[in-house]
Amino acid sequence: NAGVTQTPKFQVLKTGQSMTLQCAQDMNHNSMYWYRQDPGMGLRLIYYSASEGTTDKGEVPNGYNVSRLNKREFSLRLESAAPSQTSVYFCASSVFRTATNEKLFFGSGTQLSVL
Amino acid sequence: TQLLEQSPQFLSIQEGENLTVYCNSSSVFSSLQWYRQEPGEGPVLLVTVVTGGEVKKLKRLTFQFGDARKDSSLHITAAQPGDTGLYLCAGLLNFSGTYKYIFGTGTRLKVLA
Repeated sequence: NAGVTQTPKFQVLKTGQSMTLQCAQDMNHNSMYWYRQDPGMGLRLIYYSASEGTTDKGEVPNGYNVSRLNKREFSLRLESAAPSQTSVYFCASSVFRTATNEKLFFGSGTQLSVL
Repeated sequence: TQLLEQSPQFLSIQEGENLTVYCNSSSVFSSLQWYRQEPGEGPVLLVTVVTGGEVKKLKRLTFQFGDARKDSSLHITAAQPGDTGLYLCAGLLNFSGTYKYIFGTGTRLKVLA
């Protein structure tokens, strides 16, 4: 089973360029998430989609947009990349957002550098 | 503001030693999870604790949720090189009816053979 698949694995951008990070899950999960991971900061939630057709802001949404294309796919777009967006980005999914015993399944990450 | 503090930040020990990692907050969590992350991979869930005072064991790993559901600890007995990785705690908070996972700052463990 593939689980959560993210592409690309690595990306280097120049300041001001745009790009879209792709994420797909094959577990029929309802909820999907985008996190960024920075040294000493843990994982911070950028955006999430509790179910198909809905998206909401997380802790650090500025400079990003998302699209829940269908139940399987959730993309993250950087319209005008900035050096502060250099980070490792993780997509995750779960069955339902509100359950107290919910398990998050993560992709293997995208390492993004903005020069 | 970081709601979940982990300590220590880094830990390097010899194979066979015991260790404890702490996860602390002033907030009360609905549940708390521990993840392990290896280089180049995403975090993988180890355990979820839900009830205050709950203790769960996973082979040589023992997880405890504080009585007040504000803190947690992970104890590893007789550490092995395969335990090397980044350990993350994640607390589930209820923000006005919306649940959010808050991740800790992480503890990077290296077990030397």
